Amino acid sequence: SQQGEEDPQALSIQEGENATMNCSYKTSINNLQWYRQNSGRGLVHLILIRSNEREKHSGRLRVTLDTSKKSSSLLITASRAADTASYFCATAAYTGANSKLTFGKGITLSVRP
Amino acid sequence: GAVVSQHPSRVICKSGTSVKIECRSLDFQATTMFWYRQFPKQSLMLMATSNEGSKATYEQGVEKDKFLINHASLTLSTLTVTSAHPEDSSFYICSARLGTDTQYFGPGTRLTVL
Repeated sequence: SQQGEEDPQALSIQEGENATMNCSYKTSINNLQWYRQNSGRGLVHLILIRSNEREKHSGRLRVTLDTSKKSSSLLITASRAADTASYFCATAAYTGANSKLTFGKGITLSVRP
Repeated sequence: GAVVSQHPSRVICKSGTSVKIECRSLDFQATTMFWYRQFPKQSLMLMATSNEGSKATYEQGVEKDKFLINHASLTLSTLTVTSAHPEDSSFYICSARLGTDTQYFGPGTRLTVL
């Protein structure tokens, strides 16, 4: 079953603008991860934030995590046309020695040149 | 970064035949690999967790006799779709876990069953 729910489902912005995508989840997690998927391709890992972290940066990416609200946001600054892709949040919960990811439905980001 | 490959990238088969998809971790050993299924414009649904040297753990609703998983080495897991039917047409993606948290994904296999 899906845990993460992203919003908006689709986002269209102009190159150079910032893109903010949100993800909400329902159960306790160990970490939350964001992935990018170009059309018909595999997933690329973008960033991981642990449950005891509140904010993390990686290049033009900024991710926040609010465990009290069970939500996360991904900010892409100064967007580029190449950022056009689907973005998924995925929550990780440990079951015994293993962790598995539960993906949200995804957000389609279109960056207009 | 860690690289995971899948083969084939695309396969078209007739209804009733079996199809094998390979997932390889190219530059690291993966005790655990995962198989996902993705329908067009939808999310990834975990099908099963593949552990090297032991039986795979299937998610609820996934038929283990339909989707056979073998993880015979630390760098290779295979998914066999047995007696494939048109409803099995989908995008199948594998991942390999490195460490405790990070999964590296393969490029996916597009299966079309006629």
